Amino acid sequence: AQSVTQPDIHITVSEGASLELRCNYSYGATPYLFWYVQSPGQGLQLLLKYFSGDTLVQGIKGFEAEFKRSQSSFNLRKPSVHWSDAAEYFCAVALSGASKIIFGSGTRLSIRP
Amino acid sequence: GAGVSQSPSNKVTEKGKDVELRCDPISGHTALYWYRQSLGQGLEFLIYFQGNSAPDKSGLPSDRFSAERTGGSVSTLTIQRTQQEDSAVYLCASSLMMAGGTETQYFGPGTRLLVL
Repeated sequence: AQSVTQPDIHITVSEGASLELRCNYSYGATPYLFWYVQSPGQGLQLLLKYFSGDTLVQGIKGFEAEFKRSQSSFNLRKPSVHWSDAAEYFCAVALSGASKIIFGSGTRLSIRP
Repeated sequence: GAGVSQSPSNKVTEKGKDVELRCDPISGHTALYWYRQSLGQGLEFLIYFQGNSAPDKSGLPSDRFSAERTGGSVSTLTIQRTQQEDSAVYLCASSLMMAGGTETQYFGPGTRLLVL
C-alpha cells in the first residue's frame, strides 16, 4: 500500500544547530514530493516540492530537501535553525495527476534556546 | 490577494447535532480539497472537487459526511449526527490547476471542531 513515513514524532535541536527531518515513502513509481510546515495557529504552508529534475530542492525559509530514489527518501534539511522554525513539519506525496496528497503523520520540531 | 478562508474558526457542538463548515478558496482556483487532522495525526484526505467534474469522495469516513461546492467556488462540508470521534481540525485547500494533487495546494487556517 502507498504510504508516507516520518519516523521522528518529536525532535529538539538547539538554535543555530543543523536540522534533518526524515521522510520515507512507499510507492510503485516516483511520486511528487512535498514538505509543508504548520506553525501554531497557522495553516499549512508549502516549504518546497519535488516534481522532477535536480534531486536537491531549495525551498523557502532556508530549507532544502534531497530526493534519494534508492532510499525512497525525501529528507528536509536546514543548516542553522532559528527559534521561529519551531513548528510541525509534514512530508507529503502524490502520484502524477492524482487528486490525493498523502500526508505523513508529522514531526514536531522544538528549538532549545 | 486573499488566501483560503474557513469559517467558523472554532465550533463546539453536542453529539448528534449536524454541523456545516465553510471554505472560501482562492479566487480562480479550480480545485478544492477537504482534509481532517485529528490530534497528533497527519492529514486525512476527505474529498476533492475539480472544476465541474464529479468529486472524489473516496476519503469520506462515513455517509454522515458530505460536501458540496456551489458555483465552482465556496464549499460546505456537512457532518450529520456528529460523534465525539469527529472532533478534529478540518482543513480546506485549493489549487490553481485542474491536474489534481500534483499542483501546489494552499491551505486555510482550519475549523477546529469539538463534539461534546
